[in-house]
Amino acid sequence: NAGVTQTPKFQVLKTGQSMTLQCAQDMNHNSMYWYRQDPGMGLRLIYYSASEGTTDKGEVPNGYNVSRLNKREFSLRLESAAPSQTSVYFCATTGGSGSHSPLHFGNGTRLTVT
Amino acid sequence: GDSVTQMEGPVTLSEEAFLTINCTYTATGYPSLFWYVQYPGEGLQLLLKATKADDKGSNKGFEATYRKETTSFHLEKGSVQVSDSAVYFCALSDPDSNYQLIWGAGTKLIIKP
Repeated sequence: NAGVTQTPKFQVLKTGQSMTLQCAQDMNHNSMYWYRQDPGMGLRLIYYSASEGTTDKGEVPNGYNVSRLNKREFSLRLESAAPSQTSVYFCATTGGSGSHSPLHFGNGTRLTVT
Repeated sequence: GDSVTQMEGPVTLSEEAFLTINCTYTATGYPSLFWYVQYPGEGLQLLLKATKADDKGSNKGFEATYRKETTSFHLEKGSVQVSDSAVYFCALSDPDSNYQLIWGAGTKLIIKP
């Protein structure tokens, strides 16, 4: 019963390098999200995908791109990493629509950009 | 726009103490309100929720009541345990904002034996 799986768990990049964070879910959920978590700032939405084939910008999309590869997978790409992108990244999913459906989170990817 | 304000942490309590973590919100519509908990090294998980005014959400001994008159959703527990040590996030989901979750900054809770 994996739920939401994120890889890698940890990553260190140098400024200007690129990488892709992977997220896969086995919950058959339609909606998937990418958040970043920074100390004292709670969670900020980067991008989301309401359903397979659609993606939309969240609160802080600059410097990131996403791909909803299929219903299960939603990846986040940093094309040219910057120190300001040092953060913990969480993928989340929800199966319902409207305001009542809870989010299910992965365990996060801790990214450091030097 | 919508916003959520939580009391700043860390909050440090002794085991079996009474816990209150304050959460207030502003919203244009009629939001649903949530408390999520994040244990060390893990992602967030839903603790409890309330979808309309005067609803009380409860789970694992925690409770929170949706108070529209004071725009609050304070988290309470009568007797905390060391295992409750975690970061607690208050959040709202507003239909007028396309149901995107708005998060508080989180409150770190430390329980000492």
